[in-house]
Amino acid sequence: DAGITQSPRHKVTETGTPVTLRCHQTENHRYMYWYRQDPGHGLRLIHYSYGVKDTDKGEVSDGYSVSRSKTEDFLLTLESATSSQTSVYFCATQEGGSSYNEQFFGPGTRLTVL
Amino acid sequence: KNEVEQSPQNLTAQEGEFITINCSYSVGISALHWLQQHPGGGIVSLFMLSSGKKKHGRLIATINIQEKHSSLHITASHPRDSAVYICAVRDSNYQLIWGAGTKLIIKP
Repeated sequence: DAGITQSPRHKVTETGTPVTLRCHQTENHRYMYWYRQDPGHGLRLIHYSYGVKDTDKGEVSDGYSVSRSKTEDFLLTLESATSSQTSVYFCATQEGGSSYNEQFFGPGTRLTVL
Repeated sequence: KNEVEQSPQNLTAQEGEFITINCSYSVGISALHWLQQHPGGGIVSLFMLSSGKKKHGRLIATINIQEKHSSLHITASHPRDSAVYICAVRDSNYQLIWGAGTKLIIKP
Protein backbone atom coordinates (compact mmCIF):
# COMPACT_ATOMS: atom_id res chain seq x y z
CA ASP A 1 0.00 0.00 0.00
CA ALA A 2 1.67 3.22 -1.21
CA GLY A 3 -0.13 5.45 1.25
CA ILE A 4 -1.95 7.69 -1.19
CA THR A 5 -4.79 9.85 -0.03
CA GLN A 6 -7.04 12.18 -1.98
CA SER A 7 -9.11 15.04 -0.69
CA PRO A 8 -11.91 15.71 -0.87
CA ARG A 9 -13.38 12.30 -1.63
CA HIS A 10 -16.63 13.82 -2.88
CA LYS A 11 -17.44 17.31 -4.07
CA VAL A 12 -20.42 18.99 -5.64
CA THR A 13 -19.85 22.40 -7.10
CA GLU A 14 -21.41 24.82 -9.54
CA THR A 15 -20.34 25.70 -13.04
CA GLY A 16 -17.79 28.47 -13.11
CA THR A 17 -16.36 27.93 -9.64
CA PRO A 18 -12.71 27.01 -9.04
CA VAL A 19 -11.98 23.59 -7.60
CA THR A 20 -8.75 22.13 -6.24
CA LEU A 21 -8.20 18.45 -5.62
CA ARG A 22 -5.31 17.28 -3.51
CA CYS A 23 -3.24 14.13 -3.72
CA HIS A 24 -0.89 13.27 -0.88
CA GLN A 25 1.62 10.41 -0.80
CA THR A 26 3.89 9.13 1.93
CA GLU A 27 6.13 6.88 -0.19
CA ASN A 28 8.49 9.48 -1.64
CA HIS A 29 7.62 8.37 -5.17
CA ARG A 30 9.04 10.61 -7.84
CA TYR A 31 6.20 10.42 -10.34
CA MET A 32 2.62 11.48 -9.71
CA TYR A 33 -0.37 11.41 -12.06
CA TRP A 34 -3.88 12.74 -12.30
CA TYR A 35 -6.44 10.73 -14.28
CA ARG A 36 -10.12 11.05 -14.90
CA GLN A 37 -12.41 8.08 -15.33
CA ASP A 38 -15.68 8.31 -17.22
CA PRO A 39 -18.14 5.60 -18.30
CA GLY A 40 -17.11 3.99 -21.57
CA HIS A 41 -13.57 5.36 -21.38
CA GLY A 42 -10.40 4.00 -19.95
CA LEU A 43 -8.45 6.09 -17.51
CA ARG A 44 -7.37 9.28 -19.25
CA LEU A 45 -4.28 11.14 -18.20
CA ILE A 46 -4.79 14.80 -17.33
CA HIS A 47 -1.35 15.88 -16.12
CA TYR A 48 1.64 14.25 -14.55
CA SER A 49 4.69 15.23 -12.58
CA TYR A 50 8.18 13.77 -12.77
CA GLY A 51 9.57 15.75 -9.86
CA VAL A 52 9.03 18.81 -7.72
CA LYS A 53 7.95 21.67 -9.97
CA ASP A 54 8.28 19.40 -13.03
CA THR A 55 4.96 18.74 -14.70
CA ASP A 56 3.65 17.92 -18.14
CA LYS A 57 0.34 17.63 -19.94
CA GLY A 58 -1.56 14.47 -20.61
CA GLU A 59 -4.13 13.74 -23.29
CA VAL A 60 -7.02 15.66 -21.66
CA SER A 61 -5.32 18.63 -20.02
CA ASP A 62 -7.56 21.45 -21.32
CA GLY A 63 -9.29 23.22 -18.43
CA TYR A 64 -6.94 21.79 -15.81
CA SER A 65 -3.73 22.95 -14.18
CA VAL A 66 -1.45 21.26 -11.66
CA SER A 67 1.20 22.15 -9.16
CA ARG A 68 3.77 20.20 -7.23
CA SER A 69 5.68 22.27 -4.71
CA LYS A 70 6.85 19.30 -2.67
CA THR A 71 7.35 15.62 -3.32
CA GLU A 72 4.35 14.44 -1.34
CA ASP A 73 1.65 16.72 -2.75
CA PHE A 74 0.20 17.05 -6.25
CA LEU A 75 -2.67 19.48 -6.72
CA LEU A 76 -5.16 19.48 -9.57
CA THR A 77 -7.05 22.72 -10.19
CA LEU A 78 -10.09 23.35 -12.31
CA GLU A 79 -9.94 27.10 -12.79
CA SER A 80 -13.59 27.38 -13.81
CA ALA A 81 -15.43 24.10 -13.51
CA THR A 82 -17.73 22.95 -16.30
CA SER A 83 -20.30 20.16 -16.39
CA SER A 84 -18.03 18.18 -18.74
CA GLN A 85 -15.56 17.93 -15.87
CA THR A 86 -17.99 15.88 -13.81
CA SER A 87 -16.01 12.71 -13.34
CA VAL A 88 -14.13 10.50 -10.93
CA TYR A 89 -10.56 11.68 -10.51
CA PHE A 90 -7.76 9.35 -9.55
CA CYS A 91 -4.30 10.21 -8.41
CA ALA A 92 -1.49 7.70 -8.89
CA THR A 93 2.16 7.51 -7.96
CA GLN A 94 5.09 5.63 -9.41
CA GLU A 95 8.47 5.20 -7.81
CA GLY A 96 10.60 5.70 -10.91
CA GLY A 97 10.41 6.03 -14.67
CA SER A 98 11.09 2.42 -15.56
CA SER A 99 8.64 0.49 -17.71
CA TYR A 100 8.49 -2.06 -14.92
CA ASN A 101 7.39 0.30 -12.19
CA GLU A 102 3.76 -0.19 -11.26
CA GLN A 103 1.43 2.65 -10.43
CA PHE A 104 -0.29 2.93 -7.08
CA PHE A 105 -3.66 4.58 -6.96
CA GLY A 106 -5.49 6.77 -4.53
CA PRO A 107 -9.14 6.06 -3.63
CA GLY A 108 -10.55 8.58 -6.09
CA THR A 109 -12.52 11.82 -5.85
CA ARG A 110 -16.03 12.00 -7.23
CA LEU A 111 -16.64 15.50 -8.59
CA THR A 112 -20.04 16.70 -9.72
CA VAL A 113 -20.34 20.04 -11.49
CA LEU A 114 -23.91 21.31 -11.63
CA LYS B 1 -9.43 2.88 -33.17
CA ASN B 2 -8.16 2.61 -29.61
CA GLU B 3 -4.57 1.53 -29.21
CA VAL B 4 -5.57 -0.89 -26.45
CA GLU B 5 -8.69 -2.98 -26.93
CA GLN B 6 -10.18 -5.25 -24.30
CA SER B 7 -12.74 -7.96 -24.82
CA PRO B 8 -15.32 -8.66 -23.75
CA GLN B 9 -16.56 -5.35 -22.38
CA ASN B 10 -18.88 -7.17 -20.00
CA LEU B 11 -18.80 -10.74 -18.79
CA THR B 12 -21.20 -12.56 -16.49
CA ALA B 13 -20.40 -16.09 -15.36
CA GLN B 14 -21.32 -18.61 -12.72
CA GLU B 15 -19.17 -19.28 -9.71
CA GLY B 16 -16.51 -21.86 -10.49
CA GLU B 17 -16.19 -21.06 -14.18
CA PHE B 18 -12.86 -20.45 -15.88
CA ILE B 19 -12.67 -16.82 -16.98
CA THR B 20 -10.63 -15.31 -19.81
CA ILE B 21 -10.29 -11.59 -20.48
CA ASN B 22 -8.37 -10.44 -23.54
CA CYS B 23 -6.25 -7.41 -24.31
CA SER B 24 -4.93 -6.52 -27.76
CA TYR B 25 -2.73 -3.55 -28.52
CA SER B 26 -1.41 -1.89 -31.64
CA VAL B 27 1.69 -0.07 -30.42
CA GLY B 28 5.18 -1.20 -29.51
CA ILE B 29 5.39 -1.77 -25.82
CA SER B 30 7.95 -2.44 -23.14
CA ALA B 31 5.50 -3.78 -20.57
CA LEU B 32 1.86 -4.60 -20.04
CA HIS B 33 -0.07 -4.20 -16.80
CA TRP B 34 -3.25 -5.81 -15.54
CA LEU B 35 -5.16 -4.00 -12.81
CA GLN B 36 -8.35 -4.64 -10.89
CA GLN B 37 -10.89 -2.01 -9.93
CA HIS B 38 -13.14 -3.05 -7.09
CA PRO B 39 -16.83 -2.14 -7.02
CA GLY B 40 -15.97 0.49 -4.41
CA GLY B 41 -13.64 2.17 -6.91
CA GLY B 42 -10.17 1.27 -5.63
CA ILE B 43 -7.62 0.28 -8.28
CA VAL B 44 -4.85 -2.21 -7.57
CA SER B 45 -2.13 -3.63 -9.74
CA LEU B 46 -2.32 -7.38 -10.42
CA PHE B 47 0.50 -8.11 -12.85
CA MET B 48 3.24 -6.53 -14.86
CA LEU B 49 4.36 -8.55 -17.88
CA SER B 50 7.02 -8.11 -20.51
CA SER B 51 7.03 -11.71 -21.72
CA GLY B 52 5.66 -15.15 -20.97
CA LYS B 53 3.34 -15.88 -18.13
CA LYS B 54 2.79 -14.99 -14.49
CA LYS B 55 0.62 -16.64 -11.87
CA HIS B 56 -0.68 -15.36 -8.57
CA GLY B 57 -3.13 -17.56 -6.75
CA ARG B 58 -6.07 -18.21 -9.09
CA LEU B 59 -5.01 -15.50 -11.52
CA ILE B 60 -2.82 -16.17 -14.53
CA ALA B 61 -1.63 -13.58 -17.02
CA THR B 62 0.00 -14.35 -20.35
CA ILE B 63 1.43 -12.20 -23.08
CA ASN B 64 2.35 -12.89 -26.70
CA ILE B 65 4.57 -10.04 -27.86
CA GLN B 66 4.56 -11.13 -31.51
CA GLU B 67 0.76 -11.21 -31.65
CA LYS B 68 0.42 -8.09 -29.45
CA HIS B 69 -2.02 -9.86 -27.22
CA SER B 70 -2.40 -10.63 -23.54
CA SER B 71 -4.92 -12.66 -21.59
CA LEU B 72 -5.95 -12.67 -17.97
CA HIS B 73 -7.39 -15.93 -16.69
CA ILE B 74 -9.23 -16.61 -13.46
CA THR B 75 -9.59 -20.22 -12.38
CA ALA B 76 -12.38 -21.40 -10.08
CA SER B 77 -14.03 -17.98 -10.19
CA HIS B 78 -15.74 -16.64 -7.10
CA PRO B 79 -18.22 -13.79 -6.55
CA ARG B 80 -15.45 -11.79 -4.86
CA ASP B 81 -13.66 -11.73 -8.23
CA SER B 82 -16.41 -9.45 -9.50
CA ALA B 83 -14.66 -6.25 -10.55
CA VAL B 84 -13.50 -4.29 -13.55
CA TYR B 85 -10.25 -5.62 -14.99
CA ILE B 86 -8.09 -3.10 -16.79
CA CYS B 87 -5.24 -3.65 -19.22
CA ALA B 88 -2.62 -0.95 -19.75
CA VAL B 89 0.49 -0.94 -21.93
CA ARG B 90 3.67 1.04 -21.52
CA ASP B 91 4.59 2.60 -24.85
CA SER B 92 7.96 3.68 -26.21
CA ASN B 93 7.61 7.05 -24.44
CA TYR B 94 7.09 5.22 -21.12
CA GLN B 95 3.52 6.46 -20.96
CA LEU B 96 0.70 4.13 -19.98
CA ILE B 97 -2.09 3.63 -22.51
CA TRP B 98 -5.23 2.31 -20.89
CA GLY B 99 -7.89 -0.07 -22.07
CA ALA B 100 -11.52 0.70 -21.28
CA GLY B 101 -11.82 -2.23 -18.90
CA THR B 102 -13.82 -5.45 -18.71
CA LYS B 103 -16.61 -5.60 -16.17
CA LEU B 104 -16.80 -9.09 -14.67
CA ILE B 105 -19.72 -10.34 -12.61
CA ILE B 106 -19.54 -13.77 -10.99
CA LYS B 107 -22.88 -15.08 -9.81
CA PRO B 108 -23.11 -17.50 -6.88
